[in-house]
Amino acid sequence: NAGVTQTPKFQVLKTGQSMTLQCAQDMNHNSMYWYRQDPGMGLRLIYYSASEGTTDKGEVPNGYNVSRLNKREFSLRLESAAPSQTSVYFCASSALPSQGNQPQHFGDGTRLSIL
Amino acid sequence: GENVEQHPSTLSVQEGDSAVIKCTYSDSASNYFPWYKQELGKRPQLIIDIRSNVGEKKDQRIAVTLNKTAKHFSLHITETQPEDSAVYFCAGVYSGGSNYKLTFGKGTLLTVNP
Repeated sequence: NAGVTQTPKFQVLKTGQSMTLQCAQDMNHNSMYWYRQDPGMGLRLIYYSASEGTTDKGEVPNGYNVSRLNKREFSLRLESAAPSQTSVYFCASSALPSQGNQPQHFGDGTRLSIL
Repeated sequence: GENVEQHPSTLSVQEGDSAVIKCTYSDSASNYFPWYKQELGKRPQLIIDIRSNVGEKKDQRIAVTLNKTAKHFSLHITETQPEDSAVYFCAGVYSGGSNYKLTFGKGTLLTVNP
């Protein structure tokens, strides 16, 4: 049982390049999330998917797009990377709130640098 | 939306002392408050959580208290050890609807000095 798996673990991009961060969970969770973590800023929600087939913006969605490919997978895409998007990106998943208050489980993160 | 404020941003204690981290929230409808520990270079991991129908919860050396009237909750770590050194995040959420968005505090860097 791997939990939440993110790929890649590290990536360096040039300004203007595009890339997709991958996330998969094997806990049969309905809800999935993408956060970015910057020094002194805590964890800020970029996008989330409450259930398969739905996606919604979080606190800092500009410059990002997401795809909920199926129940297991939730990808984050940077169409034209900017230095301000240099950050550590975490994917998380949780069971539905209708099943009771549920904690979110995090992946190991993707460390992204944009030059 | 929910706003969670966390204090202090840094905390340094001697091994064996207690540490307390406090958070306040703005949305009185929030009903679930998890705490996460993040070691350097690692993922955030849940260490304890509390539901709004409970005032206190303990798990060995850690405890969380919730004051719904004042809209604040606190993490208490007793008999601190060097391995408790990490960044701790509080969070709050209202999970009564179809969406379930955690709002995190900005974190507390706890250093336990041997």
